[in-house]
Amino acid sequence: EVQLLESGGGLVQPGGSLRLSCAASGFTFSSYAMSWVRQAPGKGLEWVSSFSAAADGTYYADSVKGRFTISRDNSKNTLYLQMNSLRAEDTAVYYCAKVVQIRPREGFDYWGQGTLVTVSS
Amino acid sequence: QTVVTQEPSFSVSPGGTVTLTCGLSSGSVSTSYYPSWYQQTPGQPPRTLIYSTNTRSSGVPDRFSGSILGNKAALTITGAQADDECYYYCVLFMGSGIWVFGGGTKLTVL
Repeated sequence: EVQLLESGGGLVQPGGSLRLSCAASGFTFSSYAMSWVRQAPGKGLEWVSSFSAAADGTYYADSVKGRFTISRDNSKNTLYLQMNSLRAEDTAVYYCAKVVQIRPREGFDYWGQGTLVTVSS
Repeated sequence: QTVVTQEPSFSVSPGGTVTLTCGLSSGSVSTSYYPSWYQQTPGQPPRTLIYSTNTRSSGVPDRFSGSILGNKAALTITGAQADDECYYYCVLFMGSGIWVFGGGTKLTVL
């Protein structure tokens, strides 16, 4: 059974940093691209970032480019999202999502439960 | 900037059929955008219904189907049930590792 478990969310002041983790199990983690998708309170889904399993790139939405960094540790079956220079508009539930294939393209097939990030003074 | 469009809301009668669409502010959706569809009830994570235009995700009943209709991607739900009442999101692959979600459709079954 595929399981994705996010952690690391919390309350942070504007300009602060936070690192999210997503522990994966139930599939060969190194063989699939992975993504982060967020949802602001009362709003729709927004794709944030993806990491190809083919070692051919990391990708970011314009809204987070230059501030967020996605990474993965295949030895620990874990995906990360380092978030710096946080803004109020980054407040959202952050979901970890498994991509259907090795490269970001077909969409997502499994989702975690999400972790809430609140940026406020 | 490309905007992915969805109907903000839709209604269907119990047992009825409804088709939700996913378009582009400029241009046509094709299979090259690998459209996928997600279902979400408030407070829950999304659930994958369809990916790569028309491939049902594991465990999804065949009441849900995906296609390209005209210049849009489409999600058709047949035999609508009360627990189909929730939000539906599409996402399109724009190339270069980038996806864009639509704003979502709130489906009411009444």
